[in-house]
Amino acid sequence: AQSVTQLGSHVSVSEGALVLLRCNYSSSVPPYLFWYVQYPNQGLQLLLKYTSAATLVKGINGFEAEFKKSETSFHLTKPSAHMSDAAEYFCAVSSNQAGTALIFGKGTTLSVSS
Amino acid sequence: ETGVTQSPTHLIKTRGQQVTLRCSSQSGHNTVSWYQQALGQGPQFIFQYYREEENGRGNFPPRFSGLQFPNYSSELNVNALELDDSALYLCASSLGTWGGRGAETQYFGPGTRLLVL
Repeated sequence: AQSVTQLGSHVSVSEGALVLLRCNYSSSVPPYLFWYVQYPNQGLQLLLKYTSAATLVKGINGFEAEFKKSETSFHLTKPSAHMSDAAEYFCAVSSNQAGTALIFGKGTTLSVSS
Repeated sequence: ETGVTQSPTHLIKTRGQQVTLRCSSQSGHNTVSWYQQALGQGPQFIFQYYREEENGRGNFPPRFSGLQFPNYSSELNVNALELDDSALYLCASSLGTWGGRGAETQYFGPGTRLLVL
């Protein structure tokens, strides 16, 4: 069965600093991986997804993630944090055992200070 | 293009009552998935509907049931509410296929926040 582990429930960075949010997955088949962002009192918005094409995936708002099969990782990065990046970030893997359900990690809260 | 909408936005019920939550999918989408997000947790998959048929179910009891209508909108019904059912309920729509590969992007609505007292 697929699963996702997000290391670090809370990450704090200064404005302009590198953002690194960690995600490791477990899957018995080649996975489809997603990063979503959730702002307070809102639904989830897709940042980017990996579907077995290029291993380096570029998303919206300057975010990117690299799929590393040997490390079973899909970490999210952004070179320079902005105050507006403060939100909850979720990594998810697509399940192949229950329709096309998404299995989410517990999330990482990103705080950005000036 | 209209995105995913959900109603109501907030709801307060008492233990033992029944509730119906509604979701309108994004134009052109044929698949709706429902998720429960408890406070401080990631969303958990409840079930998915593809062209009016259930296409997968998560680890939720039978008192969680759903429907998808011919226009691909959907309802989530929860009977015999329990305190632990208090959560944000998210609906997501996508353009899928039966037995889909899972690469489709799911577009989420803003959610319905349910409080059970």
